[in-house]
Amino acid sequence: RKEVEQDPGPFNVPEGATVAFNCTYSNSASQSFFWYRQDCRKEPKLLMSVYSSGNEDGRFTAQLNRASQYISLLIRDSKLSDSATYLCVVGMNTGFQKLVFGTGTRLLVSP
Amino acid sequence: ETGVTQTPRHLVMGMTNKKSLKCEQHLGHNAMYWYKQSAKKPLELMFVYNFKEQTENNSVPSRFSPECPNSSHLFLHLHTLQPEDSALYLCASKDRGHEKLFFGSGTQLSVL
Repeated sequence: RKEVEQDPGPFNVPEGATVAFNCTYSNSASQSFFWYRQDCRKEPKLLMSVYSSGNEDGRFTAQLNRASQYISLLIRDSKLSDSATYLCVVGMNTGFQKLVFGTGTRLLVSP
Repeated sequence: ETGVTQTPRHLVMGMTNKKSLKCEQHLGHNAMYWYKQSAKKPLELMFVYNFKEQTENNSVPSRFSPECPNSSHLFLHLHTLQPEDSALYLCASKDRGHEKLFFGSGTQLSVL
């Protein structure tokens, strides 16, 4: 079983749509959770951290379910500029914080 | 501009060549990382350096040799690579106690 598992997509949605991605992780001792965004041929960039109580940043909402070991990302009112690959990342706080990346979910927002 | 600079951006090398990838961070971070990203695979952690000391070697073949002369610079020396080593090599840095990982733009490596 992969340590971090994501549906690779692509998810094709029209502008203005709401889209949700899920991610599951296998290590129950994982302590930190993130969503990174990666544009084509570019480096990953932190989109948002994911907290136990859930958190929101503008159109983006992240949720964590520790019991079921999954993380979700909800994007409301999709923009063309949201087209990218979204990487689910899980961390073990081992001092330097070892991060394990999922393969990513590709999102394509069309006009 | 993320504050992490990688050179070169692209590299094509033969299997008998020796080359080096360079990474420099201007953020004052104390941890630096090398990741490998192959097509359709997740980012794989290769090496971690904390305060210039290597703290993680993720079973990387010896044909990849990292060097960290100081906390701002990180190198990846390449020797007798295989075609399957072709990938995007990403450098990243982080401040201890902070969550955010800052990536460089990567070196797209092709081994012929």
